Amino acid sequence: QVQLQESGPGLVKPSQTLSLTCTVSGGSISSGGYYWSWIRQHPGKGLEWIGYIYYSGSTYYNPSLKSRVTISVDTSKNQFSLKLSSVTAADTAVYYCARDGQEGLDYWGQGTLVTVSS
Amino acid sequence: ETTLTQSPAFMSATPGDKVNISCKASQDIDDDMNWYQQKPGEAAIFIIQEATTLVPGIPPRFSGSGYGTDFTLTINNIESEDAAYYFCLQHDNFPRTFGQGTKVEIK
Repeated sequence: QVQLQESGPGLVKPSQTLSLTCTVSGGSISSGGYYWSWIRQHPGKGLEWIGYIYYSGSTYYNPSLKSRVTISVDTSKNQFSLKLSSVTAADTAVYYCARDGQEGLDYWGQGTLVTVSS
Repeated sequence: ETTLTQSPAFMSATPGDKVNISCKASQDIDDDMNWYQQKPGEAAIFIIQEATTLVPGIPPRFSGSGYGTDFTLTINNIESEDAAYYFCLQHDNFPRTFGQGTKVEIK
């Protein structure tokens, strides 16, 4: 059973960079066949797909966030990470990581709340 | 970008009811529609893939229908444990997009 767990600071100051890591267990990122996605949900709102990465480092980002997003992978640690720069209060959200296969997102993490505030 | 319009936003059901949740896509997405269940503080659970296929391990009271632009998640004989937030996802094109979600309450 694949499990994903998000980790990182729960509070980020405006204009700084939000950094989160997703640790994968029960499966290897480097085995291929899947992409690894980040998704967020603003308080009381719907979900927004941020982007994904393949084990090779190939990425695809949501055009709405592309200028501020970087997703990276560390296969030695079986982790992938999200960096979102120049954050504002509008980036306050629950951030999720998930495995993304041919049938879409199948396994999700529990999510982590990130608040942007001074 | 494909917009998904999900309805209703909230519904209250009695155990044993049949519940339908709709998700309408702004363009044809074939059968590239998934449904998920999420409870507070828990990871989302994948319940329906490719519009109509029940994910292994999911109770058969859950079913999905639709193709193209109109999709429905049905819960037959709803149980108290089905109280949750349900949402749809299209993976036909990028960026992936989601419905706004439906909160299902069990009376």
